[in-house]
Amino acid sequence: GAGVSQSPRYKVAKRGQDVALRCDPISGHVSLFWYQQALGQGPEFLTYFQNEAQLDKSGLPSDRFFAERPEGSVSTLKIQRTQQEDSAVYLCASSLVGEGLPEAFFGQGTRLTVV
Amino acid sequence: ILNVEQSPQSLHVQEGDSTNFTCSFPSSNFYALHWYRWETAKSPEALFVMTLNGDEKKKGRISATLNTKEGYSYLYIKGSQPEDSATYLCAFNNFNKFYFGSGTKLNVKP
Repeated sequence: GAGVSQSPRYKVAKRGQDVALRCDPISGHVSLFWYQQALGQGPEFLTYFQNEAQLDKSGLPSDRFFAERPEGSVSTLKIQRTQQEDSAVYLCASSLVGEGLPEAFFGQGTRLTVV
Repeated sequence: ILNVEQSPQSLHVQEGDSTNFTCSFPSSNFYALHWYRWETAKSPEALFVMTLNGDEKKKGRISATLNTKEGYSYLYIKGSQPEDSATYLCAFNNFNKFYFGSGTKLNVKP
């Protein structure tokens, strides 16, 4: 596809369940970002990859959150033992080259609801 | 933690009104300032990327200005239309990260 694709679009998880959210960036995009947007808030940075290297994971809220991008393209954000406070929209963005170049393209997000 | 603030939080205007909102950001370590338009259930769509102090960008009825020395950007919409209803996000690009404001939610009534 032409844009950033995220799946699933919606996910309902029972508290304590593990979830995996997928991001397919635009082909050839080096940088990939994950953001978390809680209700009424702006997107908050979670983590950043340049190719397969996770250069910054300072925004991951706890050790229950884990992200990977093993081949430098598709990325998965995994949340273990989900809690209600994990309910949010998770946005993925990619950009064409590495550090510093503007213009990130976003997916439609995955809305996670933990019940 | 890097603070990017947007105001107002929400705005209700009548069709045909002109409006503007503000994004404030740190004036140090500036690389770029982005404006995005985000409609419900869609991807945020890039409107402008601004890198130079004094930049002014325009796309149709929407324009933006940038002041990096004092750390603010304004987004203007001239003659608002119902289809302009969306959340407008600004993001401060500090080299390898984007720091987002919480957005201004615009509702344009016909």
